[in-house]
Amino acid sequence: EVQLVESGGDLVQPGGSLRLSCAASGFTFRIYWMSWVRQAPGKGLEWVASIKEDGSDKYYVDSVKGRFSISRDNAHNSLFLQMNSLRGEDTAIYYCAKLRFTNWVEYWGQGILVTVSS
Amino acid sequence: QVILTQSPSASASLGASVKLTCTLNAGHINHPIAWHQQRPGKGPRYLMKLNSDGSHSKGDGIPDRFSGSSSGAERYLSISGLRSEDEADYYCQTWGSGIQIFGAGTKLTV
Repeated sequence: EVQLVESGGDLVQPGGSLRLSCAASGFTFRIYWMSWVRQAPGKGLEWVASIKEDGSDKYYVDSVKGRFSISRDNAHNSLFLQMNSLRGEDTAIYYCAKLRFTNWVEYWGQGILVTVSS
Repeated sequence: QVILTQSPSASASLGASVKLTCTLNAGHINHPIAWHQQRPGKGPRYLMKLNSDGSHSKGDGIPDRFSGSSSGAERYLSISGLRSEDEADYYCQTWGSGIQIFGAGTKLTV
């Protein structure tokens, strides 16, 4: 059974940093693209970042470029999202997602809340 | 840039059928999409991948009540025998060049 478990969410002040983690199990992590998708309160889904199987290619939505960094540790079946210079508009539930090929989300984590507020 | 358009809301009665629509913008009408369901207070769940020819492959455990079809730029999600647990937000998603794109979602009221 595929499981994606996020951790690291918290309340952080504007300008602060946070690192999200996603522990993956139930599939061969190292051969799949992975993504982070977020959902602001009362809003729809927004793709944030994606990373290739070996970590060599990374893609970001324009609003987080230069502030967020996606990475992975295939030896430990883990996905990460380093978030710096956080803003109020980054407040959201962040979902870890397993992609099918490079394309659609096939499995979702349960989500973790990040709140950016003073 | 691919854009996905969804109606904000839909409603249908218990036991009835409903057809939700996701529309691709011009120049991208052959794109496949995926459908996802998000029940109130829950995370999203993958329902199916839907091709431009209407062929589709469903996710694990998705009941036969859910099906997909296509016509031109339109991608449809049909749900038959509506149950209360089908009341949810439904999102379509597509992809390209390493990015994913989501529609704004349709809120289905049963």
